[in-house]
Amino acid sequence: DAGVTQSPTHLIKTRGQHVTLRCSPISGHKSVSWYQQVLGQGPQFIFQYYEKEERGRGNFPDRFSARQFPNYSSELNVNALLLGDSALYLCASSAQGGIGGYTFGSGTRLTVV
Amino acid sequence: GQQLNQSPQSMFIQEGEDVSMNCTSSSIFNTWLWYKQDPGEGPVLLIALYKAGELTSNGRLTAQFGITRKDSFLNISASIPSDVGIYFCARARDNYGQNFVFGPGTRLSVLP
Repeated sequence: DAGVTQSPTHLIKTRGQHVTLRCSPISGHKSVSWYQQVLGQGPQFIFQYYEKEERGRGNFPDRFSARQFPNYSSELNVNALLLGDSALYLCASSAQGGIGGYTFGSGTRLTVV
Repeated sequence: GQQLNQSPQSMFIQEGEDVSMNCTSSSIFNTWLWYKQDPGEGPVLLIALYKAGELTSNGRLTAQFGITRKDSFLNISASIPSDVGIYFCARARDNYGQNFVFGPGTRLSVLP
């Protein structure tokens, strides 16, 4: 079975641009969460979706948005990119809405220049 | 606040040695998780703990949920080179256990 898959794996964007990151959860998993991991730090929670509804939101500005599709895949959108948005963006899926932990993808490395 | 503290920040050990690292929080929560992250990869779940005092093993790894519900430790016995990586503790952001706050990590290096 495929694990959590994220695309693209690497991305370089210019300040002010917009970016869309994509995630496909493990088959059968209905919960998807997004985390931002800045170099040298632990992952920081951005959003959680369960059954296509937002179930949680971390302390991130409105420039960050996400959605979950009927097939449970998800997109994370970031508008008006800042240099500080450079990070590894991790997607994680769970069968139980997060209880018991998540399975993470390998992430998308975003560099804003 | 909701921050977690992990110690040590980094450690260098000889292959075959035992390792102990811990994680503390100023708040009480119901779920503790331990993850390991290899370079270029996402974190991988090692152990999940749900009850104060719970002691759980996964091969050479053992983790305990402190009785005060504010701390947890992870032990690795007889370390091997593939144990190298960053170990993160995480606890639930709320009592529903659906989203998690991660600690800053302990970076482990194993010397042959």
